[in-house]
Formats: sequence, structure tokens, C-alpha cells
Amino acid sequence: QKEVEQDPGPLSVPEGAIVSLNCTYSNSAFQYFMWYRQYSRKGPELLMYTYSSGNKEDGRFTAQVDKSSKYISLFIRDSQPSDSATYLCAMRTNFGNEKLTFGTGTRLTIIP
Amino acid sequence: ETGVTQSPTHLIKTRGQQVTLRCSSQSGHNTVSWYQQALGQGPQFIFQYYREEENGRGNFPPRFSGLQFPNYSSELNVNALELDDSALYLCVMKGGEGETQYFGPGTRLLVL
Repeated sequence: QKEVEQDPGPLSVPEGAIVSLNCTYSNSAFQYFMWYRQYSRKGPELLMYTYSSGNKEDGRFTAQVDKSSKYISLFIRDSQPSDSATYLCAMRTNFGNEKLTFGTGTRLTIIP
Repeated sequence: ETGVTQSPTHLIKTRGQQVTLRCSSQSGHNTVSWYQQALGQGPQFIFQYYREEENGRGNFPPRFSGLQFPNYSSELNVNALELDDSALYLCVMKGGEGETQYFGPGTRLLVL
């Protein structure tokens, strides 16, 4: 079993829809949770960063962390064609090195 | 723009050869990590360097080695290349205040 599970998709939604992306994890030591966006043949770009449980909002993006359920989510409101990319969840513990453990990524397409 | 650069952008090698990938940053990031991202997968942690010392390693064999230089630039060396080493290699820099890790654009390696 992988430490971080993420549905690879692909996921296609119409422009303007709300997108929900999710990851589950098994390691209860994870304390930092991140969402990265990766365009084709590019490096990942940090979208959202959350420490421990709770919600965080940044413009059209909202990240939620539920540590009791070991479940994290990213919501994208008013989705745009430019949001079409692969979305990777990543997490790490609060000790040791800076190792990030990633999900496999969800490929998202926003249809105009 | 993350300010993290990698070279070369693309590389083709044959099985058994050796390769050196490079990473540098405009800012003084004192922690550098390397990740391997196979097609359709999330990045996998190779190792991390902090102040020129390796301080964490993922599940990669010793033929993957690295260096961090006093100017915080870094190299990833891979000996005895295998077909499965074909992937996008990502350099990640972190330093100063905050928890943000900055990804470079990656080097795409193809082993024939």
C-alpha cells in the first residue's frame, strides 16, 4: 500500500465548475500538506501549503486537511481552461529531512 | 519563476553510461533535494543535501550520488544507467524562512 493515494483521473469538467481533488494517506506523522500544479513537461509549482488540520483559502483555491480521517482536498472554484494540468498532493513529517511524499497526481482538463 | 535552474533540459544516454545533472539557484537556498518522476507518476525522493552533507536518502541504489557546493548549487550523478532511469529529474531548493520548497523545471533523461 502506498503512503499517499490519489486518483489519477483523468478528470474533465466544464469551465466554471467547481473541481474537487482528493488524497488519502496512511502515515499519521505527516504534518505538512501541499498541493502542486504541474503543466505538461514542466516542474511542479506550489499552489497551497497547510500545516496540520484546517482550511486555507487563496483566491479560487481552497485546501482542506482532515487529519482524523487522513484525507486532504483541494477545491477550485470558477474553473478556467488555464487550470488544466496535473495536480499533485504532497506531504511531509515534522522531523528529519525535508522529504516530500507525493501522490501519483490527478490529470485535470477544463473544457471551454 | 522559482529562480531554480537545471541543466541540461533534455538528455539522451545509452544503457551503462554515466550522467551528471546540474541545479542552481539565484538565492542562497541551503537545502537541496532531488526527485525522480517517471511518466504518469508522482515525484520520488532520491536524496537531500544540507550544507554540503547528505542528510536523507530515499529508496535508490548507491549508483545515484550527489554533491552540493558552497554556492548551494548541486549535482546529481547516475552511474551504470538502466532503461528504468528514464524519467524527469527534479531539483528542489529550500532555505531561509518559511517552508516553501521551490522546484526547478527538471531535466528529462531518456536511456536507450
